[in-house]
Amino acid sequence: EPEVTQTPSHQVTQMGQEVILRCVPISNHLYFYWYRQILGQKVEFLVSFYNNEISEKSEIFDDQFSVERPDGSNFTLKIRSTKLEDSAMYFCASGRRQGARYEQYFGPGTRLTVT
Amino acid sequence: GEDVEQSLFLSVREGDSSVINCTYTDSSSTYLYWYKQEPGAGLQLLTYIFSNMDMKQDQRLTVLLNKKDKHLSLRIADTQTGDSAIYFCAESMRNRDDKIIFGKGTRLHILP
Repeated sequence: EPEVTQTPSHQVTQMGQEVILRCVPISNHLYFYWYRQILGQKVEFLVSFYNNEISEKSEIFDDQFSVERPDGSNFTLKIRSTKLEDSAMYFCASGRRQGARYEQYFGPGTRLTVT
Repeated sequence: GEDVEQSLFLSVREGDSSVINCTYTDSSSTYLYWYKQEPGAGLQLLTYIFSNMDMKQDQRLTVLLNKKDKHLSLRIADTQTGDSAIYFCAESMRNRDDKIIFGKGTRLHILP
């Protein structure tokens, strides 16, 4: 069964550094998402991406964040200058429309630790 | 605003039924979901219910929706050790069905 994959599984970086989190969505999906979960808190929506552009973003997704689908298979989340509070589990999801519902499939997550 | 609340922990004996509860605030939710997260794994969609339904059953899983009280529950019959996981209640919005709002998750612990 196809699944969403994410690399790396754990990334440690120093404050102020740039990080790129990578995701390979399911191949025939058209909708792509990033969510994050700070330890002990809720899974929060960051951004959705469709047709090569951002379709919605949350207030967390400020100018430090960007997303890209550089080669038609990968979907990346870049954080330009990481802060301590960016430490979290980042989940990628890809999705398709099933009738009126968007069905989302999640990857295993990348744990980002900012020191 | 949009909010989903659920208790953080539940302990159940193997073979008993587990009932995980959730409340949500936005009455315009279109779909309500239950996701399961096992250690080291992603969020797996277990089941969902459309907001005009009261109940949905899928093998050992029963979802009950009380729209008036904005209360959702997940019942797992004959709980097994493999059901040990974190269960997330989630909703998606009427006008933005591609955005999912999650609760904090309920950690289900199975007692022998």
